[in-house]
Amino acid sequence: GAVVSQHPSRVICKSGTSVKIECRSLDFQATTMFWYRQFPKQSLMLMATSNEGSKATYEQGVEKDKFLINHASLTLSTLTVTSAHPEDSSFYICSARDNTEAFFGQGTRLTVV
Amino acid sequence: RKEVEQDPGPFNVPEGATVAFNCTYSNSASQSFFWYRQDCRKEPKLLMSVYSSGNEDGRFTAQLNRASQYISLLIRDSKLSDSATYLCVVLYSTLTFGKGTMLLVSP
Repeated sequence: GAVVSQHPSRVICKSGTSVKIECRSLDFQATTMFWYRQFPKQSLMLMATSNEGSKATYEQGVEKDKFLINHASLTLSTLTVTSAHPEDSSFYICSARDNTEAFFGQGTRLTVV
Repeated sequence: RKEVEQDPGPFNVPEGATVAFNCTYSNSASQSFFWYRQDCRKEPKLLMSVYSSGNEDGRFTAQLNRASQYISLLIRDSKLSDSATYLCVVLYSTLTFGKGTMLLVSP
């Protein structure tokens, strides 16, 4: 089946720095990718919808200037957490759909210290 | 009312038991429905899609009731390896996840 690769799987960064997370669809073209965040014991919450070649659509309450999304090609979307704070520590997961189902990246566990 | 609601559990069952989860959704225009399984600290993986006619895959049976806006998942003959969180997922314009139901199968 289709595979979505997400990198890095784990990152620890200092408060105030920026972190970039990559999401790649390996064997299909994804015009749309989704970025989710999951806090402990919480559901996956949609942060934004990433559209190839255009601006991302952010969910209410998600700061677009803090969570920068770039979808430069049909196989790559990136999420950059800028000026990270400890409260940004979370599990970030990307997802891409083909015609039948959604596939998820392996997730990135971000810890901001 | 939340868009997708599930009983968080945990459901503690012995091996071999039958267990059922329900999920309700609020958007009557929802198009597709899925059950995903998520193991601790891992990404969700599709367990099965849910069709209007109901569908079965081995020990797993999924049902959809559009009139009452709920979907269900039945697991028969539970295995230890079934222990996980089961996420109800509803598609309208985007995928919306329930908070998940935790299942713990004990020997």
